[in-house]
Amino acid sequence: EVQLVESGGGLVQPGRSLRLSCTASGFTFSDHAMSWVRQAPGKGLESVAFISNRAFGGTAEYAASVQGRFTISRDDSKTIAYLQMSSLKTEDTGVYYCARGRYASSTFDYWGQGTLVSVSS
Amino acid sequence: DIQMTQSPSSLSASVGDRVTITCRASQNIISNLNWYQQKPGKAPKILIYSASNLQSGVPARFSGGGSGTDFSLTISSLQPEDFATYYCQQSYTTPTFGQGTKLEIK
Repeated sequence: EVQLVESGGGLVQPGRSLRLSCTASGFTFSDHAMSWVRQAPGKGLESVAFISNRAFGGTAEYAASVQGRFTISRDDSKTIAYLQMSSLKTEDTGVYYCARGRYASSTFDYWGQGTLVSVSS
Repeated sequence: DIQMTQSPSSLSASVGDRVTITCRASQNIISNLNWYQQKPGKAPKILIYSASNLQSGVPARFSGGGSGTDFSLTISSLQPEDFATYYCQQSYTTPTFGQGTKLEIK
């Protein structure tokens, strides 16, 4: 059974940093792209970071809203995807979902339950 | 980035109705278009991938169509569990989502 479990969310002050983790199981992690998708309270979905699978070199792409502040990475040996968030802003508040890509694509076929990030002073 | 525009933003319908939601991309994405359903407090769930392919386990009353820049999601006969918010998403380049369509009970 495919499982994605996010962790690392919480309350953080503006300007500070936070690292989210997505622990995967039930599939060959290195074969799949991974993404972080966020949802601000009462708003829609935004893919903030995407990382390709091993075959495509693990290259990363970012939404313009987080470019230069967020870094996505993956550890295929531990089957974990990370999202390092720095210089956090109040508008980064929301639920962050980890999502699995259908192999190399950004078609998201499995999702975690989400972790809440609140940026507030 | 490719912009995705859904219409309508909200929709009221009754059980048994046929409903269609449309999605327009700001440039040609061929058939790299996916549809998701999200219920309150839950993660999104994929319904349709590559514009018209039904994800395993999804009821056949859901169907998708279109190519290029214009796409649609149709629910042939609404069931009570279908009242939710629906999102389109392009997977042609750096992924982007539409703003969502909230489907409510009339």
